[in-house]
Amino acid sequence: EPEVTQTPSHQVTQMGQEVILRCVPISNHLYFYWYRQILGQKVEFLVSFYNNEISEKSEIFDDQFSVERPDGSNFTLKIRSTKLEDSAMYFCASSYRGREGTEAFFGQGTRLTVV
Amino acid sequence: AQKVTQAQTEISVVEKEDVTLDCVYETRDTTYYLFWYKQPPSGELVFLIRRNSFDEQNEISGRYSWNFQKSTSSFNFTITASQVVDSAVYFCALRHGSGNTGKLIFGQGTTLQVKP
Repeated sequence: EPEVTQTPSHQVTQMGQEVILRCVPISNHLYFYWYRQILGQKVEFLVSFYNNEISEKSEIFDDQFSVERPDGSNFTLKIRSTKLEDSAMYFCASSYRGREGTEAFFGQGTRLTVV
Repeated sequence: AQKVTQAQTEISVVEKEDVTLDCVYETRDTTYYLFWYKQPPSGELVFLIRRNSFDEQNEISGRYSWNFQKSTSSFNFTITASQVVDSAVYFCALRHGSGNTGKLIFGQGTTLQVKP
């Protein structure tokens, strides 16, 4: 069964360092997303990506964040200068359609710890 | 504004009991979509169900059933004869029908503990 794959599963980084979280969405999906979940809290939307551009972003997704689809399979989230409050589980998701109610499938998450 | 409220923070039941997880949503859209996701202790988010706003038919899938009531803006989830493996955090989520992004708005989640 097709699935969304995220690497690494856990990353520890020092404050101020850049991190890149990687995702391989399901191959025939067209919409890609990043969400984050601070420990014990709800899942929060960061950004959606369609047709090689950002289609929507949240207030959390400030200039420190960027996304890229460098080739036909990968989808990355970059945090330029990490802060302690960036520590969270980051989920990548993909769906076949965005406007219609097609469900998003999530990866297993990358736990980012900023020290 | 769009919002999802899961008022139950934690529920604890004994195996084989039935349990209902509540979800209340707010939206101004006439077309929208509702979802339930399960987050087991391993951390991943597992899709359970999608319901369109124009389809109020309730759904049953094995031990799981969902009750969608537009009049009360609720989309409740019932597990019949709960099992220990049902222990997880359950999230209700809303997606509006307009726009092209597919952004999900999640509730706070309900932690379900099923004891043997």
